[in-house]
Amino acid sequence: GQNIDQPTEMTATEGAIVQINCTYQTSGFNGLFWYQQHAGEAPTFLSYNVLDGLEEKGRFSSFLSRSKGYSYLLLKELQMKDSASYLCAVRDSNYQLIWGAGTKLIIKP
Amino acid sequence: ETGVTQTPRHLVMGMTNKKSLKCEQHLGHNAMYWYKQSAKKPLELMFVYNFKEQTENNSVPSRFSPECPNSSHLFLHLHTLQPEDSALYLCASSPWTSGKEGTDTQYFGPGTRLTVL
Repeated sequence: GQNIDQPTEMTATEGAIVQINCTYQTSGFNGLFWYQQHAGEAPTFLSYNVLDGLEEKGRFSSFLSRSKGYSYLLLKELQMKDSASYLCAVRDSNYQLIWGAGTKLIIKP
Repeated sequence: ETGVTQTPRHLVMGMTNKKSLKCEQHLGHNAMYWYKQSAKKPLELMFVYNFKEQTENNSVPSRFSPECPNSSHLFLHLHTLQPEDSALYLCASSPWTSGKEGTDTQYFGPGTRLTVL
């Protein structure tokens, strides 16, 4: 079967750096997405990786290793507003999105 | 109004009620999606419409009935639901892709929080 694994919950301190990991086993690979979802709100698109390597967007970066079936989302200079759930999703060979259950990130002052 | 909107934001219904969820997108997209989101579970894709035609129905019970009158509007008609259907129902839209072009990023509405008593 197809599976996306990410930690259920993480805690970090304001101003620090946190890395949220995502591992996947899917039927084929056509890109990996990261979304941010604040409680009670819509998931919003953060990043897309289809080639190996690091994509940087301001305080957020996303890394992909296709050979390892692994990605991470790196958040720098954490702010209280970064408290949210982070969803990892992989597009498989049928171009279907397979979703992880999300990682709830708690930021403490 | 911009983006993807959903109404109502909250809905409480009994098991014998009939209700409808509405989604509207203002992004000029051609594909629309219904997802179910339960606590601590992955998003479950329910239905996909491309240019008003249903292309996916992921073994969803018939008590959920989608309707897509045009590329901008999507409805989910609910009838004789069960308490386990209580969840957040998310609508999303995207530019339709042949599957080999672009990122096909999906844009989500804020969801309808459904409680079935």
